[in-house]
This record gives sequence, C-alpha cells and structure tokens, in this order.
Amino acid sequence: ETGVTQTPRHLVMGMTNKKSLKCEQHLGHNAMYWYKQSAKKPLELMFVYNFKEQTENNSVPSRFSPECPNSSHLFLHLHTLQPEDSALYLCASSEQVSREQYFGPGTRLTVT
Amino acid sequence: AQSVTQLDSHVSVSEGTPVLLRCNYSSSYSPSLFWYVQHPNKGLQLLLKYTSAATLVKGINGFEAEFKKSETSFHLTKPSAHMSDAAEYFCVVSDLTGTASKLTFGTGTRLQVTL
Repeated sequence: ETGVTQTPRHLVMGMTNKKSLKCEQHLGHNAMYWYKQSAKKPLELMFVYNFKEQTENNSVPSRFSPECPNSSHLFLHLHTLQPEDSALYLCASSEQVSREQYFGPGTRLTVT
Repeated sequence: AQSVTQLDSHVSVSEGTPVLLRCNYSSSYSPSLFWYVQHPNKGLQLLLKYTSAATLVKGINGFEAEFKKSETSFHLTKPSAHMSDAAEYFCVVSDLTGTASKLTFGTGTRLQVTL
C-alpha cells in the first residue's frame, strides 16, 4: 500500500455530468499532484500544490478544477468533460516538491 | 529543458534471464533520476532513485540502475527476471527549477516475461 488513496477507482460519466475525484495521502507530505495518463502518451502533469497553494497549472482546460483544502487532501472537480478526457487520473504526493513522488492507484475515468 | 528517452517500447525476456531497460536523459541541471514500475490497473511504484550520491543505485525487487553522466544514461537492470516483473517501467528525470520540481516521464517500456 503506497499511503496514497484515490476514490473512486472507476468512474463513468456523461458529458453534462459533474463529478469529483478524491485523493488522500497518509504520509505527512506537503506537496500533492494530479496527473493524466492516456494510452500511448507520456504521463502528463496537470496541477501541483505545495502547502495547499497551487504552484503549477499545466495549461489544463477549465473543465478540470482542482481543490486542496489541506495538505492531506486533493480533489479534482470535473464538469462538461469531453470523450478525449477519458484516461487514468493519478494523484501523487511528496515530502517536498524536490523529492520523489508516491502515487495512488488512480481513477479510471470514462466519458461517454 | 529536460527530456528522457526510453529506447525500447517493449522488451521480452525469458524467466531467469537478465533484464535491461534502457533510458537516456537530457537535463540542463544536475538531475535526479528515478525508475517507476506500474502493474496493470495500479498506480506507479518507486523502484529506485539517483540523487547525486552513489552512481550505482539499488532498488526494490532486485533491480538496480547505474548513472553514467558521460553517456547521459540511467539503464535499469536485474540479473534474473521473474514472472511478477511483467509490468510497465518508466524512467523519470527531475529538475528543481524555482520552487517547483518538474518530473519528466519517459513513454514507458513494457516488460514481458515468458516461461
């Protein structure tokens, strides 16, 4: 068990739905990350939070809205998604932004 | 700018034979380098890391990697493959720029282990 949990593990949603992905880390880390993993593409960094403050947004469309209420929790709010947003969404955390990252099991998202 | 190239998208070995997964990197700074493994339907697990200490790094499950600055390589090896090693492996380079550390992932190498 990596100490980083994600819920739900699988999600199917229509393009007009609103849903949220949740990530929780039990490692006492200060930095948290959202990644998108699509088939046959490199892992894409979406957002970085350091001490609850967003420090990086990699030109992610506004239909993805992150929230970090504290250093242990990270959410990704989803609305009006497109089929091409279907992917595995991975959450990660690290002690500091310069240290190795630990990943959760991911949420497999399918947009219909 | 930094980049990482995994030279093989797919590697197949027989159980009990050596594993070699190749990785070359490019970095403007003194990099940190990592190997992660991803089993089907699982997240990424850290196998090992290089952070400017010893150039030969030992990781979990019998894997090791050698940092060769002159060749800009960080190849992953294991003396004897096991069926449970079948997975996707990612080479990752990290630059610390400003207040954020940016991880750049390779495209992955799928390791198949046959009987």
